[in-house]
Amino acid sequence: NAGVMQNPRHLVRRRGQEARLRCSPMKGHSHVYWYRQLPEEGLKFMVYLQKENIIDESGMPKERFSAEFPKEGPSILRIQQVVRGDSAAYFCASSPSSRSKRTSGTHEQYFGPGTRLTVT
Amino acid sequence: LAKTTQPISMDSYEGQEVNITCSHNNIATNDYITWYQQFPSQGPRFIIQGYKTKVTNEVASLFIPADRKSSTLSLPRVSLSDTAVYYCLVGDRTPLRQLTFGSGTQLTVLP
Repeated sequence: NAGVMQNPRHLVRRRGQEARLRCSPMKGHSHVYWYRQLPEEGLKFMVYLQKENIIDESGMPKERFSAEFPKEGPSILRIQQVVRGDSAAYFCASSPSSRSKRTSGTHEQYFGPGTRLTVT
Repeated sequence: LAKTTQPISMDSYEGQEVNITCSHNNIATNDYITWYQQFPSQGPRFIIQGYKTKVTNEVASLFIPADRKSSTLSLPRVSLSDTAVYYCLVGDRTPLRQLTFGSGTQLTVLP
């Protein structure tokens, strides 16, 4: 069972360009979370999505950032008109649905390897 | 959400037992304590979770005193590969919601 997949692993963009980060959750998981980690800091929650729905986007900047999790395909975090302050590691996590027998009610989320975005 | 406080960094030597303590003075009755581990250039990985007393799994032990205002992650006989950042999280066991990470503890295991 493959883990959470993220691509690309490294992404370099010039200021003003668009960045698209992709996340494929673990098989059978229908919940996706995006986190951002600035250098020397802990992870900060950005957005929580289910298939075709945004559940909580309270941690995502109102401008330039958007996220989706379509019925088919990976979840995508999109950053428009990137600035140098967007340089960070972006991690995706997934978890099974609350009805899954595998869910024990823990905080357990399964994280991907991250995408390191560098804005030049 | 309960605020957590951990040491910024710790050093240890191979083969030693390492104890990392986390303070969470305003922990709520429904809150659990969870620890994640993050290696460089990787996403965090769940280690252990507990509510009170002691929890042990194949990786670590978690000690929680009766007042639950702190907890201690214990790693037996660490190796160089245990060098990582360890995060203490506190919250209720509602699944499917965001996790709140603090700054974590950078553990460095020396040869």
